[in-house]
Amino acid sequence: RKEVEQDPGPFNVPEGATVAFNCTYSNSASQSFFWYRQDCRKEPKLLMSVYSSGNEDGRFTAQLNRASQYISLLIRDSKLSDSATYLCVGSNDYKLSFGAGTTVTVRA
Amino acid sequence: EAGVVQSPRYKIIEKKQPVAFWCNPISGHNTLYWYLQNLGQGPELLIRYENEEAVDDSQLPKDRFSAERLKGVDSTLKIQPAELGDSAVYLCASSLDRGLWNEQFFGPGTRLTVL
Repeated sequence: RKEVEQDPGPFNVPEGATVAFNCTYSNSASQSFFWYRQDCRKEPKLLMSVYSSGNEDGRFTAQLNRASQYISLLIRDSKLSDSATYLCVGSNDYKLSFGAGTTVTVRA
Repeated sequence: EAGVVQSPRYKIIEKKQPVAFWCNPISGHNTLYWYLQNLGQGPELLIRYENEEAVDDSQLPKDRFSAERLKGVDSTLKIQPAELGDSAVYLCASSLDRGLWNEQFFGPGTRLTVL
């Protein structure tokens, strides 16, 4: 079983819509969490860190639920440029474990 | 500021041949990572360096893979001999140090095809 599991999608949403998806992690000792974004045939780039209290960065909101061991990402007012694969990441002892990614496609 | 540089960007070789990848991290970044990414999967850590010391190489297939970071800056990853299943994207990343919340910056990767 992978340490981080994600629904691969794809999530096809119209511009302006809200889209949300989760990932689950199996290692309860994981200490820090992130969402990375990866465009097709490009390298991953940090989207946001996920703190215990939850955090928001513009149209993006991340939540962490340690009791249920899941992390969520919500994108409001989707833009065409949000189309990408979103990688959920957990870190334990400085080792990052990546999920396989959730693909989001925003259509005009 | 220059990002993580990797070369070559693409490599096609026949099985059983050797291949090497090179990575130059962001200046001042002490921690360097090599990842392997298969299609439709997330990156998987192969090895992590703190300066010139390999501190986590538990996922590196040591029978055919080797890596070095001699002066604590550039790094090379080698496969000898390559197998068909090694076809993947090899990503190098660096971070300032090993802080829990430090961002990892990835290079563009080397796309390896083994025929």
